[in-house]
Amino acid sequence: DGGITQSPKYLFRKEGQNVTLSCEQNLNHDAMYWYRQDPGQGLRLIYYSQIVNDFQKGDIAEGYSVSREKKESFPLTVTSAQKNPTAFYLCASTTSGANTGELFFGEGSRLTVL
Amino acid sequence: GENVEQHPSTLSVQEGDSAVIKCTYSDSASNYFPWYKQELGKRPQLIIDIRSNVGEKKDQRIAVTLNKTAKHFSLHITETQPEDSAVYFCAASMGGTSYGKLTFGQGTILTVHP
Repeated sequence: DGGITQSPKYLFRKEGQNVTLSCEQNLNHDAMYWYRQDPGQGLRLIYYSQIVNDFQKGDIAEGYSVSREKKESFPLTVTSAQKNPTAFYLCASTTSGANTGELFFGEGSRLTVL
Repeated sequence: GENVEQHPSTLSVQEGDSAVIKCTYSDSASNYFPWYKQELGKRPQLIIDIRSNVGEKKDQRIAVTLNKTAKHFSLHITETQPEDSAVYFCAASMGGTSYGKLTFGQGTILTVHP
């Protein structure tokens, strides 16, 4: 059953702690993305990766870090430098090439900073 | 960078009525415009998209129109049903290798009353 798996679904963190959100896909997609969703603000792009061992900052990358060591995996670390980390985080992937476009999303990880 | 504005933020209709959601974008280089539907507690899913070489696209009860000159595009849902109730997001990107680098609107909460 192909898809994108995010874990954990819910996560609580104390201020000053780093936390890593997992994202794994078995769709054989080249490109992977992390979006942050806040109420009333839509989705905002944090980081994206179009190939293994390469990634670029999105619109709100400050306080976050990523790695892309395998095609299937794109973990996101929310560092203590992120000023307002409480949010819903969505991982997505898509194929590369002409006339593609659909983003396939995971079920999301809800991070709450206590 | 790109900016996408979406209106209205909430929309309430009676079952069987039509619903229209409008978006404007700022970057004339954008040429790919998808619409995502997010049901409560679920992941966003693509419902329809349009590319800049097309002015209108229809899929059963859903249609999207694009006016590149005015830089706006709209989602039209006809014969609404209660299961259409969800949050709808418009988005824009430059396509090519950047299909997944989407700038989203703020979202519209659509409620269809039986």
